Amino acid sequence: DAGVIQSPRHEVTEMGQEVTLRCKPISGHDYLFWYRQTMMRGLELLIYFNNNVPIDDSGMPEDRFSAKMPNASFSTLKIQPSEPRDSAVYFCASSSSGSSYEQYFGPGTRLTVT
Amino acid sequence: GDSVTQMEGPVTLSEEAFLTINCTYTATGYPSLFWYVQYPGEGLQLLLKATKADDKGSNKGFEATYRKETTSFHLEKGSVQVSDSAVYFCALSAKNAGNMLTFGGGTRLMVKP
Repeated sequence: DAGVIQSPRHEVTEMGQEVTLRCKPISGHDYLFWYRQTMMRGLELLIYFNNNVPIDDSGMPEDRFSAKMPNASFSTLKIQPSEPRDSAVYFCASSSSGSSYEQYFGPGTRLTVT
Repeated sequence: GDSVTQMEGPVTLSEEAFLTINCTYTATGYPSLFWYVQYPGEGLQLLLKATKADDKGSNKGFEATYRKETTSFHLEKGSVQVSDSAVYFCALSAKNAGNMLTFGGGTRLMVKP
């Protein structure tokens, strides 16, 4: 299996621009998680889905952030408009309800907002 | 709510030294416990896990024992290598919380030759 795939790996954008991060989970996994990692705040759970339905979005920082999962093999995290404080590494992870809760992480997208 | 507390880093050791990274947790019921490792520039990957009290998880020379009485899951390795330099995260998954994990703050390990 190819593992969790994220794109792009690096994104540099200017403040005010829209940013879309993409994730393809492992085939057959029914949970998908979006995390953000920064030096200051560590690893934060933003939102997670079960069977394509958002279950808990309490970690989404504000209305500028939105996430969708239109089907079992694709999810997006959108930031509009972006701000310099959104600079971070964003990880997507997936897991299966039959796997003792183990999550598989993608390589991350490093976002820099100037 | 559930929480995980890890020792602050960085932990700096010489090659072949003994490693302990402390992890304690607070949770209702009996969670599953995990150690994840993050190498530079990569995502987190599962290192080992334990699903019930007194279970010992082990992988790549690392070990951790699920201690219910002390609510701990300390990570140990008898002889570290330079290639073990990474950030280590302790995590728990509570029952009835879907597949959500609660992570500790991470501990950076630096191993010098």
